[in-house]
Formats: sequence, C-alpha cells, structure tokens
Amino acid sequence: KAGVTQTPRYLIKTRGQQVTLSCSPISGHRSVSWYQQTPGQGLQFLFEYFSETQRNKGNFPGRFSGRQFSNSRSEMNVSTLELGDSALYLCASSLAVGDSGANVLTFGAGSRLTVL
Amino acid sequence: KQEVTQIPAALSVPEGENLVLNCSFTDSAIYNLQWFRQDPGKGLTSLLLIQSSQREQTSGRLNASLDKSSGRSTLYIAASQPGDSATYLCAVKGANTGGFKTIFGAGTRLFVKA
Repeated sequence: KAGVTQTPRYLIKTRGQQVTLSCSPISGHRSVSWYQQTPGQGLQFLFEYFSETQRNKGNFPGRFSGRQFSNSRSEMNVSTLELGDSALYLCASSLAVGDSGANVLTFGAGSRLTVL
Repeated sequence: KQEVTQIPAALSVPEGENLVLNCSFTDSAIYNLQWFRQDPGKGLTSLLLIQSSQREQTSGRLNASLDKSSGRSTLYIAASQPGDSATYLCAVKGANTGGFKTIFGAGTRLFVKA
C-alpha cells in the first residue's frame, strides 16, 4: 500500500513568486493536513481538509491557501513568497477528521522549499 | 490554548542504555497523543498512538504511557541502539483547539553512541 506522496520534494523560488505543493494521501484516507517545519518554530499546523472542505486552519497569513479534490488529493499554495517561507512542508493523511482518537497521522517525506 | 513541551531537548546516551523521553501538555482535553520519530531532512514516522482512554501502548522496544490528569506522556526506549538516533516528537490531538488540531512539541534530539 503506497504511503503519502508529496511533490515536488525540493524546489527553489525567489521572493514574490508563488508555489504550489501537492499531496496524495494513502488510498482510503479522506483527511489531509499540512504542516510547516522550520528550525526556529518547529512543526506548525497550517490547515486540514476533509471531503474537499477546510475544517481547520492555523495561524498563518492569507498568502497560504489550500484545497482538496474529490479523490482526496490536496494542494497548498503560497503566494508572494517571503524569505521566511523557506521550510519543510509536510503533509499528513488519516482515515477521517473529527473526534476519533484512533486516527493515526501518516506523514509524507515533505517538500523542502527554499526562497531566495 | 494547548501547549506541548518536550524535555530534554537533546540527549546523548551509550548504546544499550534504557532511556525515557518526556512530553507534557497543558490541556488535558485530548483525543490522543502520538509519538513520532524524524530522521534529518525526512518526514515523520509514527511510532505509537495512545487514545485518551488508554494508559499505555507498546511496540517492540518502545513503550509509551499517558497520564491525562497530570498532562504527561513518556516514551520509554529499551536497550537503545545507534539506529535509534533521531528526533522524537510528541503530538497531541486536542478537543479544545478549535476543531481537533494536532499540536506538536519541539522534539527531543537523541544520539545513541556505539
């Protein structure tokens, strides 16, 4: 069974550009969440999607957005890139969103974004 | 607001030693607590998940405990090996964080010397 797949794995952008990252969850998983990881701030929650609807959002500016498709694949977009957006962006999938304590989060390998 | 703290931030031990990593959280209204390991530059690998109704979980040389009332979890690693060297993160899925967000601690960086 394939794991969580994130593309691209590495990318370099310049300030002011925009970037789109993709996440394909484990087959059958309907919930996808995104995290930003930096040395200074650690892992910070960006947003969570379930059935094409954003269910939760972290404390990030509106330049960060996402969406989920009917096949549960998700994309996140960062517009007007800033140097501080350089980070490892991690995607995780789980069976369902909500109050189930049994939902294991399974992470992808991440997309490492460098903004110059 | 849920806050997750991990102590120590870094730990170096000789091979074969048993060790304990600590995780504390401020809000006991949680659905689960999950332990992960992360190798440098890589994603997270799930180690153990403890649901709020459970007290501990075991997998091989790993044992994780949960005490909701005191807001604490420990990850016990028996007979440590150099391959255990990684950063260990705990994550809490909270009920009062605006819709079941999962909050991570900063991690404990473990180095096991051969």
